[in-house]
Amino acid sequence: ETGVTQSPTHLIKTRGQQVTLRCSSQSGHNTVSWYQQALGQGPQFIFQYYREEENGRGNFPPRFSGLQFPNYSSELNVNALELDDSALYLCASSLDSYNEQFFGPGTRLTVL
Amino acid sequence: GESVGLHLPTLSVQEGDNSIINCAYSNSASDYFIWYKQESGKGPQFIIDIRSNMDKRQGQRVTVLLNKTVKHLSLQIAATQPGDSAVYFCADIYANTGNQFYFGTGTSLTVIP
Repeated sequence: ETGVTQSPTHLIKTRGQQVTLRCSSQSGHNTVSWYQQALGQGPQFIFQYYREEENGRGNFPPRFSGLQFPNYSSELNVNALELDDSALYLCASSLDSYNEQFFGPGTRLTVL
Repeated sequence: GESVGLHLPTLSVQEGDNSIINCAYSNSASDYFIWYKQESGKGPQFIIDIRSNMDKRQGQRVTVLLNKTVKHLSLQIAATQPGDSAVYFCADIYANTGNQFYFGTGTSLTVIP
């Protein structure tokens, strides 16, 4: 069984740029959730995708957007990067929205 | 919004002792809870979960207790080992959202050899 994978591992961008982060869900999982984890904080829910549709969104601005593909992999896009967007971005997959979520290793984004 | 908090940000225990990590939640509608362990540089790892129709659940060396009356959750780790050193998060989800887990700030557990 393949676990959740994310790419890239690390990324450095400058303010105003755009970034795309990728996530492959665990085999058999159709739900992907994205979280932002600032240093020393717990993960904060960004949004969730279920069968290619957005299925809930946290308190993040519209410049955070996402996609889920037919194979249930997912992308997180962030436009107009700000310094405060520097964080660990975590992807988690689950069988559905109400079950245990399995996390990937995360992408460390640094915005300069 | 939902607030899931932890009583202590750090906890140090001697190897072999039992550890207890506490968590408070504010929404009485919360009905599913998960404990995660996060080691440095890694994503959170599922430890154990519990639903609101239970008050105790046991796993391998871990026990989760749920007290719905006072909205309190605890994680007990038996015979704590150096490999248990990590940050522990509780997370909850409730029917209002159905899809959004709320995480606390985390408790950093250090096991002293």
